[in-house]
Amino acid sequence: GDSVTQMEGPVTLSEEAFLTINCTYTATGYPSLFWYVQYPGEGLQLLLKATKADDKGSNKGFEATYRKETTSFHLEKGSVQVSDSAVYFCALSDRNTGNQFYFGTGTSLTVIP
Amino acid sequence: NAGVMQNPRHLVRRRGQEARLRCSPMKGHSHVYWYRQLPEEGLKFMVYLQKENIIDESGMPKERFSAEFPKEGPSILRIQQVVRGDSAAYFCASSPPSVNTEAFFGQGTRLTVV
Repeated sequence: GDSVTQMEGPVTLSEEAFLTINCTYTATGYPSLFWYVQYPGEGLQLLLKATKADDKGSNKGFEATYRKETTSFHLEKGSVQVSDSAVYFCALSDRNTGNQFYFGTGTSLTVIP
Repeated sequence: NAGVMQNPRHLVRRRGQEARLRCSPMKGHSHVYWYRQLPEEGLKFMVYLQKENIIDESGMPKERFSAEFPKEGPSILRIQQVVRGDSAAYFCASSPPSVNTEAFFGQGTRLTVV
């Protein structure tokens, strides 16, 4: 069945460091891929998405490229800020499973000044 | 267009009582998903509903938990005879019927069983 595997956390970085959070997926069809962010005490917010192979999603300095050959959707940011401290979830939606959503376990990021 | 609305935001129940969590999806969204999140843990899928139908309830405990999404009104997640282990944040998400679109999340209901 469909699934998402993402990098275990927690991750602690200094401000302005480079961030990579790995995400790989398994899907029967051609899924759409998402990154969500959750700030403390809040619900999940969509950060970026990509709907087909080689698409690059980007938002707020974050980027992720849909790589079909490696079944990956790694999240990157060139220079993190303290305000980026949150939990990040990789997810997929697959029309072959009736638009069911599958989430990774989440990666906690803490950015220190 | 209002976002996904969940209420109450916080709910305290004594052991053995019933908890009823409500979720109003965004306008035009006919798909609703419920997730449970324990402190310091990820999201655990519970149930996926479309209007008047349960599509996937593979994540729902077999006893005490039920969900519905009626033709009119919000989706309801019902937990009967709550126990301490039910204490968690419960999130609802909704999406439109079209494919390749994201799910939109509510702010969650934080259930505390005392």
